Amino acid sequence: QSVLTQPPSVSAAPGQRVTISCSGSNSNIGNNYVSWYQQFPGTAPKLLIYDNNKRPSGIPDRFSGSKSGTSATLGITGLQTGDEADYYCGTWDSSRSAGVFGGGTKLTVL
Amino acid sequence: QLVESGGGLVKPGGSLRLSCAASGFTFSAYSMNWVRQAPGKGLEWVSSISSSGTYIYYADSVKGRFTVSRDSARNSLTLQMNSLRAEDTAVYYCARESITATHFDYWGQGTLVTVSS
Repeated sequence: QSVLTQPPSVSAAPGQRVTISCSGSNSNIGNNYVSWYQQFPGTAPKLLIYDNNKRPSGIPDRFSGSKSGTSATLGITGLQTGDEADYYCGTWDSSRSAGVFGGGTKLTVL
Repeated sequence: QLVESGGGLVKPGGSLRLSCAASGFTFSAYSMNWVRQAPGKGLEWVSSISSSGTYIYYADSVKGRFTVSRDSARNSLTLQMNSLRAEDTAVYYCARESITATHFDYWGQGTLVTVSS
């Protein structure tokens, strides 16, 4: 059971927009920055969004992040088949003194 | 670049030592982490060590069994894993923590640890 809660899967058609939610509590999302990671099968995770809504260089602006209270959201517009991957949210949990991740969301581009 | 090594097959109750070789950045300036992923499962944070090695944190699931350390002279990170259990079977990634300590900005390719009799 992950500390952060994500939907197991989401799907949308190419060109459409999808959002992935990440729910936590005051001890983690509520008081710390959220980051998002993209992972393709058999490869290491890759940083997609950091500090709630910032994109590392090289990440297209089709990817966006937001945070409100104890929840965060990853948005992907103009979906491409190459976006099919697992997406994870992560942050620090101050009460546990531990890093925490969501359980991951598998994105399917139909 | 981060390159993990040391994974393999070990019997329950056994020990294994993982290493992560860092290059291309000032290793001594960054906190480092271990994150694992069991087969078909999600990411699980395992441990963190500050840039100086002063501050160390562990997930409850490994506390008392795993020990993280670093050698800034050799640009290397180590995870000593003792009393291994079947549920420790996973790919273990070393990950660099950003300078702002808010995210993991670089990851290694991972090394597989299998705990089985």
